[in-house]
Amino acid sequence: DQQVKQNSPSLSVQEGRISILNCDYTNSMFDYFLWYKKYPAEGPTFLISISSIKDKNEDGRFTVFLNKSAKHLSLHIVPSQPGDSAVYFCAASDWAGSYQLTFGKGTKLSVIP
Amino acid sequence: DGGITQSPKYLFRKEGQNVTLSCEQNLNHDAMYWYRQDPGQGLRLIYYSQIVNDFQKGDIAEGYSVSREKKESFPLTVTSAQKNPTAFYLCASSTGSRNTEAFFGQGTRLTVV
Repeated sequence: DQQVKQNSPSLSVQEGRISILNCDYTNSMFDYFLWYKKYPAEGPTFLISISSIKDKNEDGRFTVFLNKSAKHLSLHIVPSQPGDSAVYFCAASDWAGSYQLTFGKGTKLSVIP
Repeated sequence: DGGITQSPKYLFRKEGQNVTLSCEQNLNHDAMYWYRQDPGQGLRLIYYSQIVNDFQKGDIAEGYSVSREKKESFPLTVTSAQKNPTAFYLCASSTGSRNTEAFFGQGTRLTVV
């Protein structure tokens, strides 16, 4: 049973426009959420996170929104750049599960120049 | 520079042989993790360790073994019992505290020939 779901395997966006990547979760124990960016044949790199006590966190071009009632979070990238093209993974940490991360299957973002 | 080092980057193994993947970190992190990535899949947790000389099974531990004799090192052995060992293996570490991110190595691509 998948506890973190990224229902869009891929997304294409024009350079300069907004990219919105979505993530849903089912486990109510999750209280910390993260986004990672990954290039092929490389390890994921941490992008941005949000605690369950907040509903928004911003870092430069990246903003993460959390809707706890809907068990949904999203990552906004504005403006999108060609270098943002990568696979983005949503992850969640379970405070009762030794803080290990549970990952979604990822969304491949392609930013078209 | 602090970080996580995985070696080798590419590894070939004959069917029926055990192989050990190396993971070393100099971040002084207490927790270390092994994940596996398959095409179209997210990162699935194999084993994790929160402290030296202690480790726990993740979601897909069958056919794998680990040890944590030193804080800096968390090697993963892929045994002949693992039915589908060909995959991209990622090691990560974190402080092990609440609301912290995990840092990943560059990964090891294991191919069974």
